[in-house]
Amino acid sequence: GQSLEQPSEVTAVEGAIVQINCTYQTSGFYGLSWYQQHDGGAPTFLSYNALDGLEETGRFSSFLSRSDSYGYLLLQELQMKDSASYFCAVSLNTPLVFGKGTRLSVIA
Amino acid sequence: EAQVTQNPRYLITVTGKKLTVTCSQNMNHEYMSWYRQDPGLGLRQIYYSMNVEVTDKGDVPEGYKVSRKEKRNFPLILESPSPNQTSLYFCASRSRGRGETQYFGPGTRLLVL
Repeated sequence: GQSLEQPSEVTAVEGAIVQINCTYQTSGFYGLSWYQQHDGGAPTFLSYNALDGLEETGRFSSFLSRSDSYGYLLLQELQMKDSASYFCAVSLNTPLVFGKGTRLSVIA
Repeated sequence: EAQVTQNPRYLITVTGKKLTVTCSQNMNHEYMSWYRQDPGLGLRQIYYSMNVEVTDKGDVPEGYKVSRKEKRNFPLILESPSPNQTSLYFCASRSRGRGETQYFGPGTRLLVL
């Protein structure tokens, strides 16, 4: 089976940088994805890491280390609109399996 | 516009009254799945389908049925709903492939009395 662990809540200040970690126990997965979900909305794709290392997409970056079974999402120049839940997910040869999500609160 | 649609968006029903939540995608995706989302429990997979007539159980399949007769549709059936099935449900689809983005429907909020 697969399991992914994330912190349940993180609070950060507007304009700052925040890192959301994800550790996993799974075998034979293709990559690690990150999704964002605002209250009342559906999850939407943010980033995907197939290989170890850093992927950058604007203010968001994602990192994967397969040897450490670990990844993280890095959000820079935080804005109030970044307040949302963030899910890591593993990509297998099936629909995605998600962690329980991290609720990010951005405060002024 | 590429999208996943679900209906209804909101539903209040009573225990034991059969219901179906429809899901349709217009992206010709092979993979479709249903998740339920409950506070503190994240997105839990109910059932998934890897192609027409190919379905399999996810982590929480009890009390649910699905079918995949056409590639674009993947309805979720609750034969005899119970209050513990009160939840927010999401349908999702993605193309076969290692890094393909998964697209979600807008969600169906179900209340079983």
